Amino acid sequence: GAGVSQSPSNKVTEKGKDVELRCDPISGHTALYWYRQSLGQGLEFLIYFQGNSAPDKSGLPSDRFSAERTGGSVSTLTIQRTQQEDSAVYLCASTLTRDRASEQYFGPGTRLTVT
Amino acid sequence: KQEVTQIPAALSVPEGENLVLNCSFTDSAIYNLQWFRQDPGKGLTSLLLIQSSQREQTSGRLNASLDKSSGRSTLYIAASQPGDSATYLCAVEDDYKLSFGAGTTVTVRA
Repeated sequence: GAGVSQSPSNKVTEKGKDVELRCDPISGHTALYWYRQSLGQGLEFLIYFQGNSAPDKSGLPSDRFSAERTGGSVSTLTIQRTQQEDSAVYLCASTLTRDRASEQYFGPGTRLTVT
Repeated sequence: KQEVTQIPAALSVPEGENLVLNCSFTDSAIYNLQWFRQDPGKGLTSLLLIQSSQREQTSGRLNASLDKSSGRSTLYIAASQPGDSATYLCAVEDDYKLSFGAGTTVTVRA
């Protein structure tokens, strides 16, 4: 079946612009996660959704970052007034249930470059 | 805060040799541990998931062990092949989110 998909695969934007990154989880997966992978920081957690609610936003690095999920499916990560330090690969993952035995399945990522 | 460390950072072996990748974590109160593979420019592929109550998991040439009390996991890859060349990431789950190590980059020479 289809895996987690993300769009766009690459995004180049100018400093100060807003960007939206999209994630389509595996159909039927209730939990969705956003992570960021950057050269200096490795892979870090950003936000977790269970259904449409986000019980854990602790990883969002600043108030320029926000995310929403609608219909228990697609999620959008928005970065306002982008800065060069936002350049990274943004990865989305989903799991079938909240059961902690569930594997997280990752999408291919969106590579964001802020110039 | 959970800290995950992977040793070595890089490994180069001739084809056919067995691989041993190490992962350690500071807080033993984890729910599970997952090993991933990442190819250059690609996302993460899940290899094995070990629940906190388990001591090991096996899939084909891959075997992963977990010693939760000492905060350690080891991934063994038997009879390595050039196609095994990739970065291997260890991640532990607590509070629903994964904390990742920096990875071990493996090169298998033909």
